[in-house]
Amino acid sequence: EVQLLESGGGSVQPGGSLRLSCAASGFAFSGYGMSWVRQAPGKGLEWVSGISAGGGTTNYADSVKGRFTISRDNSKNTLYLQMNSLRAEDTALYYCAKPFSGSSHFDYWGQGTLVTVSS
Amino acid sequence: EIVLTQSPVTLSLSPGERATLSCRASQSVSSYLAWYQQKPGQAPRLLIYDTSNRATGIPARFSGSGSGTDFTLTISSLEPEDFAVYYCQQRSIWPLTFGGGTKVEIK
Repeated sequence: EVQLLESGGGSVQPGGSLRLSCAASGFAFSGYGMSWVRQAPGKGLEWVSGISAGGGTTNYADSVKGRFTISRDNSKNTLYLQMNSLRAEDTALYYCAKPFSGSSHFDYWGQGTLVTVSS
Repeated sequence: EIVLTQSPVTLSLSPGERATLSCRASQSVSSYLAWYQQKPGQAPRLLIYDTSNRATGIPARFSGSGSGTDFTLTISSLEPEDFAVYYCQQRSIWPLTFGGGTKVEIK
């Protein structure tokens, strides 16, 4: 059974940093690109960042480019999102998402970890 | 960035009725469009990928169509569990983008 378990969320002041983790199990993690998707309270879904299976290619939404860094450790089956220079508008539930087959549509999602940026 | 515009924002229907949801892209996404369902307090669930392919376990009452810039999700006969928010998502061009969502509510 595929499982994605996010952690690392919490409350932080504007300008602060957090590192999110997503522990994956039940599938061949090293064979899949992975993504982070967020959802602000009461709002829609926003794709944040994606990384290729081997980690050599990364992509970011314009809203986080230069502030967030996605990475992965295939030996630990874990995906990361380092978030720096956090802003109030980064407040959201952050989901880790696994793509379906070779596509970038997502067939498995974690339950999310909440990040709150507030002074 | 490709902008996906969903309409209507809210759709008020009764169980048993047909639901037709629209997603329009600001430029062609070919057939690389998916639909998700999200219920309160839950993660999104993949319904349809690449325009018209049902994901594993998705009932046949859900169908997708379209190409290029105009796409439709149809629920042929609404079941009580289908009242939720639906999102479209394109994978044609990075960055990946989602539509703003359509809420299907009970009339």
